[in-house]
Amino acid sequence: EADIYQTPRYLVIGTGKKITLECSQTMGHDKMYWYQQDPGMELHLIHYSYGVNSTEKGDLSSESTVSRIRTEHFPLTLESARPSHTSQYLCASSPRRRDRGFNTGELFFGEGSRLTVL
Amino acid sequence: AQSVTQLDSQVPVFEEAPVELRCNYSSSVSVYLFWYVQYPNQGLQLLLKYLSGSTLVKGINGFEAEFNKSQTSFHLRKPSVHISDTAEYFCAVSDLGSGGSYIPTFGRGTSLIVHP
Repeated sequence: EADIYQTPRYLVIGTGKKITLECSQTMGHDKMYWYQQDPGMELHLIHYSYGVNSTEKGDLSSESTVSRIRTEHFPLTLESARPSHTSQYLCASSPRRRDRGFNTGELFFGEGSRLTVL
Repeated sequence: AQSVTQLDSQVPVFEEAPVELRCNYSSSVSVYLFWYVQYPNQGLQLLLKYLSGSTLVKGINGFEAEFNKSQTSFHLRKPSVHISDTAEYFCAVSDLGSGGSYIPTFGRGTSLIVHP
């Protein structure tokens, strides 16, 4: 049973507002990810982290930023939201493979945060 | 860069019929392969995974998939579907990225619609 939590689940805000989407996992996974999901499209990786104090940009350019101060917490922030940011944001974490000690890319997902910017 | 192709955007099927959801990927070097399911208003849940060993992999809810290295495919099958299998299914392939870490790439998803 995966233990990864995202808040808020749904958010409707006006243009120009600053927002933070929270993501926490209680499994002690070192790697964490943020994906953006739009209907009928593949999941796009926007940020990931190898561990504390590590953050990397993904394949899809994003105006959001992330931080990783604690292993269990990986929040995503938009300084000034725009209608083009309207999307579903999925947080995930990934364990190391026990027999080999490295990460295979298997993901545990939160339930998502659906953002609508008016 | 890795690419993942799910050939069908939508697959309608009647209850108790068999189903196959197709997935092809671009790179044939060392990869790990996954199928995820997403129910409405939820995140993705792992159905099954291929890491090594037998090319036929069994997962939850009666699903199975076969890894075919020569055809770079990882098709998902179920011999008899239920109404409750109606969901979005995503294929993902993880290979060794430039940073020395396995990063998963996802397909666009296949919507499985099971009719009574």
